[in-house]
Amino acid sequence: GQSLEQPSEVTAVEGAIVQINCTYQTSGFYGLSWYQQHDGGAPTFLSYNGLDGLEETGRFSSFLSRSDSYGYLLLQELQMKDSASYFCAGAYSSASKIIFGSGTRLSIRP
Amino acid sequence: DVKVTQSSRYLVKRTGEKVFLECVQDMDHENMFWYRQDPGLGLRLIYFSYDVKMKEKGDIPEGYSVSREKKERFSLILESASTNQTSMYLCASSLVGGTQYFGPGTRLLVL
Repeated sequence: GQSLEQPSEVTAVEGAIVQINCTYQTSGFYGLSWYQQHDGGAPTFLSYNGLDGLEETGRFSSFLSRSDSYGYLLLQELQMKDSASYFCAGAYSSASKIIFGSGTRLSIRP
Repeated sequence: DVKVTQSSRYLVKRTGEKVFLECVQDMDHENMFWYRQDPGLGLRLIYFSYDVKMKEKGDIPEGYSVSREKKERFSLILESASTNQTSMYLCASSLVGGTQYFGPGTRLLVL
């Protein structure tokens, strides 16, 4: 089957940089997405990597290494509003099947 | 803007009842998905559909069925609700290989 592993919790300081890692199973893998979910809200899309390398979108960047079956989300200049859960999601089976990791809860201290 | 709507935000049902959760998207997306979300377990895929009348099982299909008679609508059916199906249910849609857009979720309580 397909599964994705990510840390359950990460704590960081406002203004700092934090990296959230994700490892995935490779069978049928197409690409890796990242989603943000605030408490009580629905997940919202942040970034997608279909190819190896870094994708940058403002303060958020995402990286993929297919050879290592590994990706990460990098959040810079952390703000209190970034406190949320972050999910990596793998696209499988011709990119139609999307499997989520169990999520990383990011807590930010002033 | 893409809009994904779900028929109810909160639902309370009794054990053994048949439950229908409806999801509608307005962007002509081919793919639609049903997930359930439980604390510490993330989003787990129940079923997905890549075309009208086409469906595939996700990781936890037991106790659920789905229906996609029209492209914009994807229904999740609990044939006989049980207490372990108490959860948050999230619907999503996407183009093939595209970003998923989520509905607001339905919080289902089965008593």
